[in-house]
Amino acid sequence: SQQGEEDPQALSIQEGENATMNCSYKTSINNLQWYRQNSGRGLVHLILIRSNEREKHSGRLRVTLDTSKKSSSLLITASRAADTASYFCAYETGANNLFFGTGTRLTVIP
Amino acid sequence: KAGVTQTPRYLIKTRGQQVTLSCSPISGHRSVSWYQQTPGQGLQFLFEYFSETQRNKGNFPGRFSGRQFSNSRSEMNVSTLELGDSALYLCASSPDGDIQYFGAGTRLSVL
Repeated sequence: SQQGEEDPQALSIQEGENATMNCSYKTSINNLQWYRQNSGRGLVHLILIRSNEREKHSGRLRVTLDTSKKSSSLLITASRAADTASYFCAYETGANNLFFGTGTRLTVIP
Repeated sequence: KAGVTQTPRYLIKTRGQQVTLSCSPISGHRSVSWYQQTPGQGLQFLFEYFSETQRNKGNFPGRFSGRQFSNSRSEMNVSTLELGDSALYLCASSPDGDIQYFGAGTRLSVL
């Protein structure tokens, strides 16, 4: 299976704390993306990092990519209750296929 | 711009039946992809259509098929439904196949 692996599977933190999720994959990629999903609804794109980039920021989000280790991490700083959701990494291979990770369920406690 | 619209939102079918799901992409997006999400298998890619042609296909049996019309709207069909086909089916559109814009999904229950 080319499905990416994410850890932790679940994460529970207090509001204001930082949340870090990790993603590992198995093949060469063009880019890696992070998506958010609320309660079994559609996914919302958060950020995209290309294979020649090492770090990217967007608001309270920071993404790193290490292609030598085939891994990425998503950091959400100063978390809010509204950040409660499932977060998925997705990597795009040369064939324009997008493979999703197993997801991390984040709960932010007010 | 209107987002990706999927219809119906919920569907209940029995084993052996067939089902057609519909997806209207964001205006101007030519790529439409379909995904199946289940608690056990997670999010799995079904297929992608670009300008009415299937450009990529995931590892699903031939019972799963799709098509795209000239206005970029897409349909997905599942024939001879099995209990394991119960899932949230997500459609996503993209201007170029890169960033995906998802619809709210169709939840299919097979009894």
